[in-house]
Amino acid sequence: EVQLVQSGAEVKKPGESLKISCKGSRYSFSNYWIGWVRQMPGKGLEWMGIIYPGDSDSRYSPSFQGHVTFSADKSINTAYLQWSSLKASDTAMYYCARRNPLSDAFDIWGQGTMVTVSP
Amino acid sequence: DIQMTQSPSTLSASVGDRVTITCRASQSISSWLAWYQQKPGKAPRLLIYKESSLQSGVPSRFSGSGSGTEFTLTISSLQPDDFATYYCQQYDSYPWTFGQGTKVEIK
Repeated sequence: EVQLVQSGAEVKKPGESLKISCKGSRYSFSNYWIGWVRQMPGKGLEWMGIIYPGDSDSRYSPSFQGHVTFSADKSINTAYLQWSSLKASDTAMYYCARRNPLSDAFDIWGQGTMVTVSP
Repeated sequence: DIQMTQSPSTLSASVGDRVTITCRASQSISSWLAWYQQKPGKAPRLLIYKESSLQSGVPSRFSGSGSGTEFTLTISSLQPDDFATYYCQQYDSYPWTFGQGTKVEIK
């Protein structure tokens, strides 16, 4: 079964750094864009951006540019989302999702990583 | 950025009802529109892509239509498993954007 498995929940303090992961399996990970989506508690979905693991080409939403960084290690089929300095407002569920080249939509989603930032 | 506006925000319906959700784009997105279903505590699930193409494994009671700036998701006969929140998403141009969601509740 094609799947994306994300790293576990995190509890951090404001100002701390964090890197969460998204590991793909049973498909050619390098050849599919991986997107990141934020969902704040009780709120809707927000598109953060997308990365191509084959060459790490990335596109960021202006709302998130400069605050988060995407990266990928194609040798281990893993994409990453990282923060250098977390804020309380980063508290949210973060999903990774695969962009299918046939449909261009996100057809496979990770289970989500809950990030809690609290003093 | 292209703004996506869904209506209604909440919809109360009964099992067997025909349900329609509308999504409007602030500019033309051709047919680059997807619909997702999300249940509480779960990741979203792709239902429809390219405005009207049904994702594999999705029941045929779901259908999508529209083009340009106005789109609809229709559930022909609402089933108990369909009570969820639905999101549209444009992928015509970066940044991709989602609608604010439509919650389908039991009447």
